[in-house]
Amino acid sequence: QVQLQESGPGLVKPSQTLSLTCTVSGGSISSGSYYWSWIRQPPGKGLEWIGYIYHSGSTYYNPSLKSRVTISVDRSKNQFSLKLSSVTAADTAVYYCARGAVAAWFDPWGQGTLVTVSS
Amino acid sequence: SYVLTQPPSVSVAPGKTARITCGGNNIGSKSVHWYQQKPGQAPVLVIYYDSDRPSGIPERFSGSNSGNTATLTISRVEAGDEADYYCQVWDSSSDYVVFGGGTKLTVL
Repeated sequence: QVQLQESGPGLVKPSQTLSLTCTVSGGSISSGSYYWSWIRQPPGKGLEWIGYIYHSGSTYYNPSLKSRVTISVDRSKNQFSLKLSSVTAADTAVYYCARGAVAAWFDPWGQGTLVTVSS
Repeated sequence: SYVLTQPPSVSVAPGKTARITCGGNNIGSKSVHWYQQKPGQAPVLVIYYDSDRPSGIPERFSGSNSGNTATLTISRVEAGDEADYYCQVWDSSSDYVVFGGGTKLTVL
């Protein structure tokens, strides 16, 4: 079955750009009607949708983050990526990647990776 | 933007029925999805499209959605059901995904 795994630096300095990659295994990122998604969870808090990308490259972003977010896809590597610019301590969170059904649910999710913003 | 409201906590004795609500303006017109998240783990989809269960999810988990409230019902609650539960919708008017604030289920 499809599995997702996040990777990237666990520590980012304030004002810099957070970069994460999600590797998809057990299925092609180009097959099916799925949106490949990023969701985050600050420590002790709830879930926040960041955005997602269709394999064609179409993207949808959370309006509150839209000015700082870029999600891209690399079909040759079966990966999709997140870039979040000008980070602050408020961006400290566990970042999850997930497969999303069109305008619907998210399943499965990656295990998540903690990114801390600190100097 | 669309807002989903969940109670912060629900407590239930083992073997009883837990009901976790998710309130939103005319939420009955939207499809609601529910996730279970245990400490240190990623969320897991337990109900989709209001009341469908993914394979592997026990029949004890069920969902309903009408009017301004969607409900996740867990029958015959077990200690292993203790977790945070989140509802989620897709707000088609703005192409935006919304999560509820989450409910901590405590099994007494």
